[in-house]
Amino acid sequence: EDQVTQSPEALRLQEGESSSLNCSYTVSGLRGLFWYRQDPGKGPEFLFTLYSAGEEKEKERLKATLTKKESFLHITAPKPEDSATYLCAVQAVGNAGGTSYGKLTFGQGTILTVHP
Amino acid sequence: KAGVTQTPRYLIKTRGQQVTLSCSPISGHRSVSWYQQTPGQGLQFLFEYFSETQRNKGNFPGRFSGRQFSNSRSEMNVSTLELGDSALYLCASSSLGGRYNEQFFGPGTRLTVL
Repeated sequence: EDQVTQSPEALRLQEGESSSLNCSYTVSGLRGLFWYRQDPGKGPEFLFTLYSAGEEKEKERLKATLTKKESFLHITAPKPEDSATYLCAVQAVGNAGGTSYGKLTFGQGTILTVHP
Repeated sequence: KAGVTQTPRYLIKTRGQQVTLSCSPISGHRSVSWYQQTPGQGLQFLFEYFSETQRNKGNFPGRFSGRQFSNSRSEMNVSTLELGDSALYLCASSSLGGRYNEQFFGPGTRLTVL
């Protein structure tokens, strides 16, 4: 069964204090790893997709990286508006090499709070 | 381009009732997936529809069902509501083109069962 574990559960940073969030995964075959941001009372907002080990993606103060067992979301010089829950999800390759249609397996998320 | 829309945004029902939630995907997206989000279980996959066919289903009881229409809009139905069905129900759409299977989520429907 596919599993995703995120750490830490909660992270409190001062504005400008860089850090990383971790996402460890177990999947039979990785189709893609996704990062989302979720604000209270809203749906998850898509950030990045990573497909293969060694891949990196950047967007503003965020950088996502992928290895064969885990992914990191690096936050450089965060601002209070970066405060949110960050979710990691995996999509597995289905039977006979096909995609496991539509199914994302999510971790529990990391609640990030950035203080001014 | 308009995002994923879900209606209604909030619902209050009592145990034993049934409920229907609606989702309109991003224009051109043909895949719609549904998820349940609770504080204890997080985000859990319910089912996925493509071209009016359910292609995948999560580990939920048969009380949870869905359908997709020819314009890709989707509905999910929960019958005989239980207190534990209180959750945020999220719909996500995807264009399903090659490697690019990103799912884009709507704002969700907050269901409260009393």
